[in-house]
Amino acid sequence: GNSVTQMEGPVTLSEEAFLTINCTYTATGYPSLFWYVQYPGEGLQLLLKATKADDKGSNKGFEATYRKETTSFHLEKGSVQVSDSAVYFCALRGVQGAQKLVFGQGTRLTINP
Amino acid sequence: NAGVTQTPKFQVLKTGQSMTLQCAQDMNHNSMYWYRQDPGMGLRLIYYSASEGTTDKGEVPNGYNVSRLNKREFSLRLESAAPSQTSVYFCAGTGGVSGANVLTFGAGSRLTVL
Repeated sequence: GNSVTQMEGPVTLSEEAFLTINCTYTATGYPSLFWYVQYPGEGLQLLLKATKADDKGSNKGFEATYRKETTSFHLEKGSVQVSDSAVYFCALRGVQGAQKLVFGQGTRLTINP
Repeated sequence: NAGVTQTPKFQVLKTGQSMTLQCAQDMNHNSMYWYRQDPGMGLRLIYYSASEGTTDKGEVPNGYNVSRLNKREFSLRLESAAPSQTSVYFCAGTGGVSGANVLTFGAGSRLTVL
């Protein structure tokens, strides 16, 4: 079945540091890939997405590139801010029976001033 | 405000009690979902409804029932709560304003079973 594996957290960085959160997936065909973010006390919200190989999703300074050859969708940001502190979830939606998203376990990110 | 609204936000139950979590959306979602979120486990799908009048089991359906009352409302019921059901529950929808691929989540309902 489809699955998503994220790097384990928690991740703690200083403000203005470079961020990478790794995400790899297992799926048949070409799934759609997503990053969701959950701020404290809130539900998840879509951060960015990519629907085909080599697509780059971007939003709020975050980027992720759909790499079919390495089955990866790593999240990056060049200079993080305290306000980026949150839990980040990688997810995929398969191409068959495609009603459900499969989520990774989440990575908690804390940015210190 | 348009979105997905869950009630209640917090609930404490004793083992064996029953309760229903309510979810309503005004984003014209065709599909609706119930997830639970546990530390280190990510989100796990409990039940979903692909369209009005249909429901299907997800990854962890045991101990739960759902009702898609109409297009707007999708409720989750615990008939006999157990401590293992202590979790944060999220309702979500896709389709309509969000688009077919994007989940829009409610703010969550934190349930504690003693």
